[in-house]
Amino acid sequence: DAGVIQSPRHEVTEMGQEVTLRCKPISGHNSLFWYRQTMMRGLELLIYFNNNVPIDDSGMPEDRFSAKMPNASFSTLKIQPSEPRDSAVYFCASSEVAGGPVNEQFFGPGTRLTVL
Amino acid sequence: AQSVTQPDIHITVSEGASLELRCNYSYGATPYLFWYVQSPGQGLQLLLKYFSGDTLVQGIKGFEAEFKRSQSSFNLRKPSVHWSDAAEYFCAVGYNDMRFGAGTRLTVKP
Repeated sequence: DAGVIQSPRHEVTEMGQEVTLRCKPISGHNSLFWYRQTMMRGLELLIYFNNNVPIDDSGMPEDRFSAKMPNASFSTLKIQPSEPRDSAVYFCASSEVAGGPVNEQFFGPGTRLTVL
Repeated sequence: AQSVTQPDIHITVSEGASLELRCNYSYGATPYLFWYVQSPGQGLQLLLKYFSGDTLVQGIKGFEAEFKRSQSSFNLRKPSVHWSDAAEYFCAVGYNDMRFGAGTRLTVKP
């Protein structure tokens, strides 16, 4: 398996622009997680899906952030409009288990977002 | 409240020396416990995990961790550190969801 795939790996955009980050989880995994990592705040869980359904989006910082999972093999995280404080590395992770106790999460390589 | 604490932000050890990274947690019950490693520019990779049973868990790359219920701790150890172990290490705990600690950055001196 190719592992969790994220695109793009790097994104540089200007304040006010829309940004879309993409994730393809490992085939057969039922849970998908979006994280944000910054020096100041560390690793933060933004939202996670079980069986394509959003379960907990309490970590999404503002209405400017939205996430979708239209099918089991694809998810997007959108920021509209983007702001400089959104600059961070965004990770997608997937896990085999949906519901019940947590299990190992497999992380993608991340998308480094810079908002100028 | 549920929390994960990694008391050491940055640790420096000499190559060949032993290593112990600390992790303490606060949780309503015994959670599942994980250690992840993040190399520069990479995503997180699982080193080891504890669900139940033997409290001493062996992981990849020669790492081990010991669960101590009385101390609410899950410290990571390695008997002899290699230069390639330089990375950021994250402890994570949870049952229905997973919470990550702030991480400990490991520097290895030649």
